[in-house]
Amino acid sequence: GAVVSQHPSWVICKSGTSVKIECRSLDFQATTMFWYRQFPKQSLMLMATSNEGSKATYEQGVEKDKFLINHASLTLSTLTVTSAHPEDSSFYICSARDQQGAEEKLFFGSGTQLSVL
Amino acid sequence: AQTVTQSQPEMSVQEAETVTLSCTYDTSESNYYLFWYKQPPSRQMILVIRQEAYKQQNATENRFSVNFQKAAKSFSLKISDSQLGDTAMYFCAFRRTASKLTFGTGTRLQVTL
Repeated sequence: GAVVSQHPSWVICKSGTSVKIECRSLDFQATTMFWYRQFPKQSLMLMATSNEGSKATYEQGVEKDKFLINHASLTLSTLTVTSAHPEDSSFYICSARDQQGAEEKLFFGSGTQLSVL
Repeated sequence: AQTVTQSQPEMSVQEAETVTLSCTYDTSESNYYLFWYKQPPSRQMILVIRQEAYKQQNATENRFSVNFQKAAKSFSLKISDSQLGDTAMYFCAFRRTASKLTFGTGTRLQVTL
């Protein structure tokens, strides 16, 4: 089945530094990817929709200058948390849309736990 | 905007028993998709089952089945013959065609011996 690889699985960084998270679709092309944030024991909250070759669409309340999204190829989207602070500590999950089959499918990465000290 | 409501924060079921998780949603769309996702302690999101709104027949996947009531906007998940490996968070989700997923708040299911 289709696989989405998300890297790194976890990262610890100092406050003020930037962290990049990668999301790759391994066996299909994904013109659209999604980035979610999940706090402990809570649901997934959509942060932004990443579109290949164009600007990402951010959900209301998500700072686009804080969470930079780049979708430069059909198999890779990156989320960069700029000048990270402790309140950015969270679990980040990506998903990629596979529209090449008879029905559209969505596949999730394994997530990235970000801890900002 | 679409909303998805899961009114049961936590549920518990004994191994081999049956449990039903509730989900209701609100939309003005007529064509959409509904999903149940499982998130075990590994936190990997796993698709359990999906239902197309235009299909009247309830979807089934082995021990998992849904009761889809379109008029009532209800989409419950039934897990039969529960197994310890079914212990996880379960999220109900809604999506319009070629659009984003909206998740419910989740139900934590504990399967006990």
